[in-house]
Amino acid sequence: EVQLVESGGGLVQPGGSLRLSCAASGFIFSNYWMSWVRQAPGRGLEWVASIKQDGSEKYSVDSVEGRFTISRDNAKNSLYLQMNSLRAEDTAVYYCARDWTIGDSCYHFDSWGQGTLVTVSS
Amino acid sequence: QVVLTQSPSASASLGASVKLTCTLSSGHSTYSIAWHQQQPEKGPRYLMKINSDGSHRKGDGIPDRFSGSSSGAERYLTISSLQSEDEADYYCQTWGTGFRVFGGGTKLTVL
Repeated sequence: EVQLVESGGGLVQPGGSLRLSCAASGFIFSNYWMSWVRQAPGRGLEWVASIKQDGSEKYSVDSVEGRFTISRDNAKNSLYLQMNSLRAEDTAVYYCARDWTIGDSCYHFDSWGQGTLVTVSS
Repeated sequence: QVVLTQSPSASASLGASVKLTCTLSSGHSTYSIAWHQQQPEKGPRYLMKINSDGSHRKGDGIPDRFSGSSSGAERYLTISSLQSEDEADYYCQTWGTGFRVFGGGTKLTVL
């Protein structure tokens, strides 16, 4: 059974940093693209960033470009999101998601974690 | 950039059927999409992928009550024999090299 478990969320002041982690199990982690998706309170889902199987390609939404960095450690079956220069509008539940992957190509999200809450406030 | 449009809300009675719509923006009518369900206070769950020809691939354990179809730039999710646990937010999603996009979501109320 595919399991994705996020951790690392919490309360942080504006301008601060936080590192989220996602522990993956139940599948061959190194075979899949992985992503982060967030959901602000009372709002819809927003894609944040994605990373290829070997980390050679990374993409992110414009609003986090230059502030957030997605990374992975295939030996530890783990996905990370380093968040710097945090703003109030980054307040959200952050979900780890697996991209359905065939070869080097990625498609839709096909598995989700339960999320971790990040609150940016003074 | 592709945009996905969903109605903000829908409602139907217990035991009835409902059809939710996701519309692809102009010039993107051949895109495949995926549907995700988010029950209250839970993380999302993948339901199915729908191609432009209407073929679809369901996620593991998704009941037969859930089906998908397609017409032009519209992608549909039909839920039959509605149950109380189907009351949830439903999001469509598409993708490409370097991007993932969600629709705004439809809140389904089961009466």
